[in-house]
Amino acid sequence: GENVEQHPSTLSVQEGDSAVIKCTYSDSASNYFPWYKQELGKGPQLIIDIRSNVGEKKDQRIAVTLNKTAKHFSLHITETQPEDSAVYFCAASNTNAGKSTFGDGTTLTVKP
Amino acid sequence: GAGVSQSPSNKVTEKGKDVELRCDPISGHTALYWYRQSLGQGLEFLIYFQGNSAPDKSGLPSDRFSAERTGGSVSTLTIQRTQQEDSAVYLCASSLTVGPGHQPQHFGDGTRLSIL
Repeated sequence: GENVEQHPSTLSVQEGDSAVIKCTYSDSASNYFPWYKQELGKGPQLIIDIRSNVGEKKDQRIAVTLNKTAKHFSLHITETQPEDSAVYFCAASNTNAGKSTFGDGTTLTVKP
Repeated sequence: GAGVSQSPSNKVTEKGKDVELRCDPISGHTALYWYRQSLGQGLEFLIYFQGNSAPDKSGLPSDRFSAERTGGSVSTLTIQRTQQEDSAVYLCASSLTVGPGHQPQHFGDGTRLSIL
């Protein structure tokens, strides 16, 4: 089955700096890669996603890149703000298979 | 509009008791997913439904766990003879359907289950 590894497990940055979180996956059949943000006591919220026919996608301060050959994808957050502090999860799935496999999460702390 | 609703939000029960967790998906979403999240961990897939059918229940940890969905809407996850290792947050998500272009999963806030 699919295996997703996520790094780093914790990340601390100064407000205004950039943050990068990286994930690798194992199943070449995976074709959909969402990123979720989870705040304390809440469920994960989708922040951006990318499909395997696209190499990069950007939404304001958030961008995701995908390298299908190397089987890795990354989340980039620019101009970080304290409210970006949360746990971020990557996931990989085959859109015809239903379930998503999640990474173990990255706790991002943005210091004012 | 209304998001995914889960109840109860918290549940404390004694070891050996049965528990039922409920999930109300977003209206019109045909796919429904259950995940388990242990403290400080990622999400562990349990089961998903397309309509009332469960094409993949491979993540259910043991035969003490079961889930059903009726009317293509509400789903219940039942844990029988609970054990302390069942303590976790149980998350439900729904998506428009399963298949290309319809993958985004929308999560509820979970049920925090504590087994004493």
